[in-house]
Amino acid sequence: AQSVTQPDIHITVSEGASLELRCNYSYGATPYLFWYVQSPGQGLQLLLKYFSGDTLVQGIKGFEAEFKRSQSSFNLRKPSVHWSDAAEYFCAVGAEYKLSFGAGTTVTVRA
Amino acid sequence: DSGVTQTPKHLITATGQRVTLRCSPRSGDLSVYWYQQSLDQGLQFLIQYYNGEERAKGNILERFSAQQFPDLHSELNLSSLELGDSALYFCASSAGQETQYFGPGTRLLVL
Repeated sequence: AQSVTQPDIHITVSEGASLELRCNYSYGATPYLFWYVQSPGQGLQLLLKYFSGDTLVQGIKGFEAEFKRSQSSFNLRKPSVHWSDAAEYFCAVGAEYKLSFGAGTTVTVRA
Repeated sequence: DSGVTQTPKHLITATGQRVTLRCSPRSGDLSVYWYQQSLDQGLQFLIQYYNGEERAKGNILERFSAQQFPDLHSELNLSSLELGDSALYFCASSAGQETQYFGPGTRLLVL
């Protein structure tokens, strides 16, 4: 069975600073990988996805993620954070007809 | 806006009661998924339907059931409700087995 670990429960970052959120997955084959964002009281919005090919994928809102098979990781990055990026971020593995989510990382942006 | 709609947005009910949550998938999507988000369990996959047929089952309680109708909308029925069933219930849809797009969720409070 697949599983996802997001080691950081909470990250605080200054506006304009860079952001990196970690994600490690466990799955026997190459999975489909996703990052979703959830703003307070909102649903889950897809930021980006990886199925195959180029291991560096670009998403919406200036986010990118890099798939590293050797490390079973799919870390999310943004070069310069905006106050509107404050939210909870979820990494997910897609396999066997379902998504398995990590516990999420809450991002706080300070002025 | 993902194109997935869920009703109602909020639901308050009492223990022992039964409720029905409704989901309309994005136009053209044949797959519907249900997830539960709670503070202690995180985001958990419940069940998936594809073109009216149950395809995958996750951690869904026997008190819960779902179905997908010929017009592809889906309903999640929760019965004999307990305090611990209070959660945010998400519906997602996809065209096949790839990217899932999430609705805004139904927040259920059981008193």
